[in-house]
Amino acid sequence: DAKTTQPTSMDCAEGRAANLPCNHSTISGNEYVYWYRQIHSQGPQYIIHGLKNNETNEMASLIITEDRKSSTLILPHATLRDTAVYYCIVRVAGDYKLSFGAGTTVTVRA
Amino acid sequence: NAGVMQNPRHLVRRRGQEARLRCSPMKGHSHVYWYRQLPEEGLKFMVYLQKENIIDESGMPKERFSAEFPKEGPSILRIQQVVRGDSAAYFCASSPASGGGGRLTEAFFGQGTRLTVV
Repeated sequence: DAKTTQPTSMDCAEGRAANLPCNHSTISGNEYVYWYRQIHSQGPQYIIHGLKNNETNEMASLIITEDRKSSTLILPHATLRDTAVYYCIVRVAGDYKLSFGAGTTVTVRA
Repeated sequence: NAGVMQNPRHLVRRRGQEARLRCSPMKGHSHVYWYRQLPEEGLKFMVYLQKENIIDESGMPKERFSAEFPKEGPSILRIQQVVRGDSAAYFCASSPASGGGGRLTEAFFGQGTRLTVV
């Protein structure tokens, strides 16, 4: 019952920007967009989240379209260690549950 | 500042035995969440606990599974009479007390316990 749609997989060249799309056409006004990633055999790691404005931190940038029906996670300079499954999640403020879908398997190649 | 600590990292149990998975939340965190990741599947929410209270166990199987978060000590996820279908990675996450007014607080995950039932 995930509310997001992501491509199953994508490849990225090391050192280049990785742009990960996510569709969330049924997002509600009080739902945030969250991104997590899971490197093989590790626990999920929080990356970034936003409501409607673009956000940037030390890991990534999040671009949310004006209608909020889609977003893009940007890893500015992908490294081999960024190879992971990336999850886009919509979450109501105050909701403690994270609903993980299948995510996008990102493979960074040298 | 240690992160969320889970132990053991790997656990092998024979069918019918009990499995106990431990989770020590980050310092200052009073909320604990357990998730399960079956092979080739996504993470699924199991249970949300605060100290001495189960807040939401809607994702817990109705039988054989239980969880606790005592006043002192780690949170425990207990699986009685394990079956092969319980083989999975079990992840614990913790967060500080949730803020009022819908303020979001982040959950930080541990490295998981991989349970194998043979």
